[in-house]
Amino acid sequence: TQLLEQSPQFLSIQEGENLTVYCNSSSVFSSLQWYRQEPGEGPVLLVTVVTGGEVKKLKRLTFQFGDARKDSSLHITAAQPGDTGLYLCAGSSGGSYIPTFGRGTSLIVHP
Amino acid sequence: NAGVTQTPKFRVLKTGQSMTLLCAQDMNHEYMYWYRQDPGMGLRLIHYSVGEGTTAKGEVPDGYNVSRLKKQNFLLGLESAAPSQTSVYFCASSYRPGISAETQYFGPGTRLLVL
Repeated sequence: TQLLEQSPQFLSIQEGENLTVYCNSSSVFSSLQWYRQEPGEGPVLLVTVVTGGEVKKLKRLTFQFGDARKDSSLHITAAQPGDTGLYLCAGSSGGSYIPTFGRGTSLIVHP
Repeated sequence: NAGVTQTPKFRVLKTGQSMTLLCAQDMNHEYMYWYRQDPGMGLRLIHYSVGEGTTAKGEVPDGYNVSRLKKQNFLLGLESAAPSQTSVYFCASSYRPGISAETQYFGPGTRLLVL
């Protein structure tokens, strides 16, 4: 079983602050995805990264896939209350396209 | 398109009772999944299906059964509910994966309380 460790588990910050969330594993992934889940709803895909060293930007969110494809980070610039939610990373490897999810980082951004 | 729908949205069961959770998708997706989500545990895969008529076990399959008789529907059954099955259940679907995992589209969840 591939294990995805996410850190930190909880994050409470003020509006305007920057933050970084990490997703680490000892396994090599063929692709890694980041989802955001708002309270009472299902997760929604933010991005998929497939190439080692790849960087993708989505407005104020920057996603990076490690060179060795074992880790990833999500950086949010100038966080806003609308960024509040649970951020989940999910990776798939080898011949399996069934992703494994991390435990998530719960983010609260205070106005 | 409605995307992925789940019924019921909320249910209370007594220990030993049975129930079926229904998931339906209208995107013609090949793959469908059932997850449970517990506080601090992320999403754990219960069972999944790679096509009509197929099912496979995930990470935590014990106490659950599934069926995929029609491509658009994926049923999750609890034959004899236990308090440990109190959780939020999410269904998801995705198109057939290619080089990498495809986007999973999730339903709104079913909240199950077993007393």
